[in-house]
Amino acid sequence: GAGVSQSPSNKVTEKGKDVELRCDPISGHTALYWYRQRLGQGLEFLIYFQGNSAPDKSGLPSDRFSAERTGESVSTLTIQRTQQEDSAVYLCASSLGPRTSGGYNEQFFGPGTRLTVL
Amino acid sequence: AQSVSQHNHHVILSEAASLELGCNYSYGGTVNLFWYVQYPGQHLQLLLKYFSGDPLVKGIKGFEAEFIKSKFSFNLRKPSVQWSDTAEYFCAVNQGGGFKTIFGAGTRLFVKA
Repeated sequence: GAGVSQSPSNKVTEKGKDVELRCDPISGHTALYWYRQRLGQGLEFLIYFQGNSAPDKSGLPSDRFSAERTGESVSTLTIQRTQQEDSAVYLCASSLGPRTSGGYNEQFFGPGTRLTVL
Repeated sequence: AQSVSQHNHHVILSEAASLELGCNYSYGGTVNLFWYVQYPGQHLQLLLKYFSGDPLVKGIKGFEAEFIKSKFSFNLRKPSVQWSDTAEYFCAVNQGGGFKTIFGAGTRLFVKA
């Protein structure tokens, strides 16, 4: 596609419900990243995929958070039993790969999903 | 833990004023450095990046940044801002080409016409 897309753009849910956020990376991009941005704060790294494997899950805040990726395509971030502190914008980014001989590859960001937990 | 600090959370300037946004990081090894920008209603996009070589890096729209290794800094500059530069600016650091990129909290710039 032309860019990274994410759905839904907005999600309002009740505390305790599960939510699933979707990311469609740029075609051909093997690397995919999820970030969380709380109001007034920077981007918080959640997880990284190279292909469909996740070598770095260190940023996932708790075992309520999980993510998967199908091949080198769509990724879903699932939050179970949502809590109010999960309210944030969830950003997805993709890149050609983590790095090349020229250095670290630029990440292309999607528009984000704004999650509000009531 | 590694961190990225942006000194100013909000900056207000008049058009034609000079801009400098501070960024400091705490990692001591090899780094790749970035500035990303998010214009109102748009996605985050890359403004400029430093991997190696000349520590003065030029990006789009007249922005530049200087990597000063001894100060662990990568400050963003523009000699004369425009109203269209109103946006949020994020400094980011990748450590030694690994997977993780650490972002600063961002600086909101408002340029008065």
